[in-house]
Amino acid sequence: AQKITQTQPGMFVQEKEAVTLDCTYDTSDPSYGLFWYKQPSSGEMIFLIYQGSYDQQNATEGRYSLNFQKARKSANLVISASQLGDSAMYFCAMRANDYKLSFGAGTTVTVRA
Amino acid sequence: GAVVSQHPSWVICKSGTSVKIECRSLDFQATTMFWYRQFPKQSLMLMATSNEGSKATYEQGVEKDKFLINHASLTLSTLTVTSAHPEDSSFYICSAATGTSPYNEQFFGPGTRLTVL
Repeated sequence: AQKITQTQPGMFVQEKEAVTLDCTYDTSDPSYGLFWYKQPSSGEMIFLIYQGSYDQQNATEGRYSLNFQKARKSANLVISASQLGDSAMYFCAMRANDYKLSFGAGTTVTVRA
Repeated sequence: GAVVSQHPSWVICKSGTSVKIECRSLDFQATTMFWYRQFPKQSLMLMATSNEGSKATYEQGVEKDKFLINHASLTLSTLTVTSAHPEDSSFYICSAATGTSPYNEQFFGPGTRLTVL
């Protein structure tokens, strides 16, 4: 069984600063995919970034980057130059060979002006 | 990216009635669709996985007779909450995938907020 752990229930960040959201995972499958989603108050799940277990480089998508440390089984999300619109709940998720997407508990990010 | 729609976006119903929620993949064929339930300020919990033309696979603790899932085509899956009760009030989200590889992205619908009075 896969397990995703997000230990930060909530975080505050000043506008224009960077914030790191922690995510650790546990799986015995050698092949897996790691995902980060943003969920604003409207409820929609917005895909942010993806990292495959065999990818050699850390994934980046605009202001989002994923700090993938395979040996430590961590996949932290870094949001640079935070904007007010970044205030939302963020979920780390993993998909392995059982093809189910398992989610962490989520981290609520509040960006302050 | 691929688009998944859900209908309705919100519904209020009386206790004891049944509610049907539709999930459609608009511009791709989804071999697999997933149904999640999310309570306020909590994570998404997988309820069931449906593959086109076959019976859905339910997660442990999810009543298959209460949450009926039909995946009649590669673009449509429906979730029917039968004899709904106030404790069924939740945010229901579907997602669709083009395959079952760990690397296949899942595309999420906008969700349906169900309130049972």
